Amino acid sequence: EIVLAQSPATLSLSPGERATLSCRTSQYVSNYLAWYQHKPGQAPRLLIYDASKRATGIPARFSGSGSGTDFTLTISSLEPEDFAVYYCQQRTNWPLTFGGGTKVEIK
Amino acid sequence: EVQLLESGGGLVQPGGSLRLSCAASGFTFSSYTMSWVRQAPGKGLEWLFGISSSGGDTYSADSVKGRFTISRDNSKNTLYLQMSSLRVEDTAVYYCAKIGQPDYWGQGTLVTVSS
Repeated sequence: EIVLAQSPATLSLSPGERATLSCRTSQYVSNYLAWYQHKPGQAPRLLIYDASKRATGIPARFSGSGSGTDFTLTISSLEPEDFAVYYCQQRTNWPLTFGGGTKVEIK
Repeated sequence: EVQLLESGGGLVQPGGSLRLSCAASGFTFSSYTMSWVRQAPGKGLEWLFGISSSGGDTYSADSVKGRFTISRDNSKNTLYLQMSSLRVEDTAVYYCAKIGQPDYWGQGTLVTVSS
């Protein structure tokens, strides 16, 4: 099973600031990595797939980068609606696995 | 409009069983691999199971192997999760999902395992 380690666990930022979230995988996953946003009471929302491709309808302030084992999700300028928990997920091998999540909270 | 509607959640005693259903509409259900994902209270997302479009291949996380099974009925556009020998730690919101671009997720159904 591929283990995903996300850091930091919590990110305290103000609206307008830049957020940088990290995801490291225990094995090589090529670019088969996705990022999700999850808010309480809602279904997870796909932001990024294949490491760097924005899903349909996702604003340009969200960007993904990386390949192999190290990946980054960047939110260029936080909007109020961006405060949530973010998960990375690998799609290279079964079982699919998620990272433990990074909570982006308002400072 | 794409919809995934989970049902079957509720309160069950430890050791009990429950079957969750997920009714799909708005896309060609029979063409896609489907998954079940859960989130326990205060915890992160946990992928549980995947099933191929035909139902011929299934994939599972070790945490539920042997206790839960996934199945699908393409004639009814429905995905199932049969859960047995339930434990308190299985308490969670259970989501069905088509994972892959595009992604589709249901709103989830709450399963509470408690005496």
